[in-house]
Amino acid sequence: DQQVKQNSPSLSVQEGRISILNCDYTNSMFDYFLWYKKYPAEGPTFLISISSIKDKNEDGRFTVFLNKSAKHLSLHIVPSQPGDSAVYFCAATAGTASKLTFGTGTRLQVTL
Amino acid sequence: DGGITQSPKYLFRKEGQNVTLSCEQNLNHDAMYWYRQDPGQGLRLIYYSQIVNDFQKGDIAEGYSVSREKKESFPLTVTSAQKNPTAFYLCASSSNSALHFGNGTRLTVT
Repeated sequence: DQQVKQNSPSLSVQEGRISILNCDYTNSMFDYFLWYKKYPAEGPTFLISISSIKDKNEDGRFTVFLNKSAKHLSLHIVPSQPGDSAVYFCAATAGTASKLTFGTGTRLQVTL
Repeated sequence: DGGITQSPKYLFRKEGQNVTLSCEQNLNHDAMYWYRQDPGQGLRLIYYSQIVNDFQKGDIAEGYSVSREKKESFPLTVTSAQKNPTAFYLCASSSNSALHFGNGTRLTVT
């Protein structure tokens, strides 16, 4: 049972445009959500997070939006840069910020 | 430099052999985790440990074992009972806000 879903396995965006990565979850107990970025043969690195008491969190070019009623969150990258090309994982946790459930990832390619 | 060290980066074993993957952290984190990454399946939790001398099974613990004798170390043994051991293994530790990952070990069993 996949509790965190990233339905788009890949996304291609032109440099300078907005990248929107989506994530859906089914467990209503999840209250903290994170996005990780992963390059090949490396471990994921933490990008941005959001608590369920908020609906938006912004950090530079990265913004995460949370729609609790729809059990949906999205990561916006504006403007997209070639260095953003990576696999992005959505993750969620309930009650503790440590035992995370991950989505299957979306591979973002930013083209010139 | 504070961080998580996984070694080796690549590991090859014959089927039927047990193999131990190393994970060391100097971040002074209490909690440590082992995840496995397979194509199209994201990251799945194998085992985790919230404190020294204690650990719990994750979602896919069958065929694996761990120990947590020291705060800094959380080795993972892939036993011959694990049916599909070839994968990319990631170790992580946490400070209650987010997981910090090592660079992984790619295990190939033939």
